[in-house]
Amino acid sequence: AQKVTQAQTEISVVEKEDVTLDCVYETRDTTYYLFWYKQPPSGELVFLIRRNSFDEQNEISGRYSWNFQKSTSSFNFTITASQVVDSAVYFCALLITSGNTPLVFGKGTRLSVIA
Amino acid sequence: DGGITQSPKYLFRKEGQNVTLSCEQNLNHDAMYWYRQDPGQGLRLIYYSQIVNDFQKGDIAEGYSVSREKKESFPLTVTSAQKNPTAFYLCASSTRPWDSTILNTEAFFGQGTRLTVV
Repeated sequence: AQKVTQAQTEISVVEKEDVTLDCVYETRDTTYYLFWYKQPPSGELVFLIRRNSFDEQNEISGRYSWNFQKSTSSFNFTITASQVVDSAVYFCALLITSGNTPLVFGKGTRLSVIA
Repeated sequence: DGGITQSPKYLFRKEGQNVTLSCEQNLNHDAMYWYRQDPGQGLRLIYYSQIVNDFQKGDIAEGYSVSREKKESFPLTVTSAQKNPTAFYLCASSTRPWDSTILNTEAFFGQGTRLTVV
């Protein structure tokens, strides 16, 4: 069975601090996709990144960076120089490419950035 | 523009009534999903469908029903059997996960429907 664990329920940081959101996943499949989504107070989910299981290259997009490590089954998300607008709930998700299984989400991490 | 549309954004229901939430996508995605989110909680899967005329129960299907008569539509009915239906409901769609020729698998989400039982 597939599972995604986001151990951090809530994180509070002061503006301009760096913050890392953890994501650990479980799957026996060798081919899968990992995602991060942002859910601002308005409720919709905003796609941030997708990574397939064969691409362990880390990625940086502006203040956002992602560290994918298959050896530890982790796909952590770092926000550098956090801003108040980063305050949201962040979800990590897993989609395997075999069988008939749905997108599996972690329980989310609520990030509060304080001015 | 391609996307996924949920309607209505806010919905009020009297106890004992069934209500149907709409989800439409024009992305030509085979897979569609319904999730429920309670305050301070993560996303829990209600139902999902990987292809037209087929759907499977998720983790919390009791009190809900769905249909998938068309590829672009996946309506969710919250029945009177659902004891605590007040929640935020999110619909999503994605390319078929087992289609290895699609390199850019991504799940798209609607803006959600906030259902309140009064």
